[in-house]
Amino acid sequence: AQKITQTQPGMFVQEKEAVTLDCTYDTSDQSYGLFWYKQPSSGEMIFLIYQGSYDEQNATEGRYSLNFQKARKSANLVISASQLGDSAMYFCAMREGLFPGNQFYFGTGTSLTVIP
Amino acid sequence: DSGVTQTPKHLITATGQRVTLRCSPRSGDLSVYWYQQSLDQGLQFLIQYYNGEERAKGNILERFSAQQFPDLHSELNLSSLELGDSALYFCASSVRTSGYNEQFFGPGTRLTVL
Repeated sequence: AQKITQTQPGMFVQEKEAVTLDCTYDTSDQSYGLFWYKQPSSGEMIFLIYQGSYDEQNATEGRYSLNFQKARKSANLVISASQLGDSAMYFCAMREGLFPGNQFYFGTGTSLTVIP
Repeated sequence: DSGVTQTPKHLITATGQRVTLRCSPRSGDLSVYWYQQSLDQGLQFLIQYYNGEERAKGNILERFSAQQFPDLHSELNLSSLELGDSALYFCASSVRTSGYNEQFFGPGTRLTVL
């Protein structure tokens, strides 16, 4: 089974609107971390936001928030007030276990296009 | 700038050849990961090293090998290259004593096999 599933290959959003990018994960570990990365057309991978499995509050970083629903094993990324510069690929990732050097599992990504 | 450096930035070579990609992790990071990103295949995990030792192996072909040196830099060797090996190869590093231990990615090496 896939560890990380991103079911939306492509998404469109109007500038200044909010958008939710879906991510579900599969693990039997109690301890894990969830990450979102952005990859603009220039190619670099940019870390956006982190959610730990024991964190009770949803993570937020500026216009990014992570809608963490542990029972549903989902970790959706919400981008508020979309900007043209948000157009990029977005990857959800998970690291299982307590050891910080454990392997990361990445989803297949969602391509977001922000329409002016 | 993530602090992870990769050289070269671009590499063009012919089928059957061998190339070496180099990665220097962020200062203090013990773990290095290698990924392959093809146009149609997303981000594929290849291999991970932690403090000089191989820690995890993903979908790495037998024609590919890697190592991490005592100074923690890493090299990915690709041999008997095929057209399908054309891709963006990322190195990432992580593991320090603070932060989320997220992976920091280098700018990538774009390999083109002709």
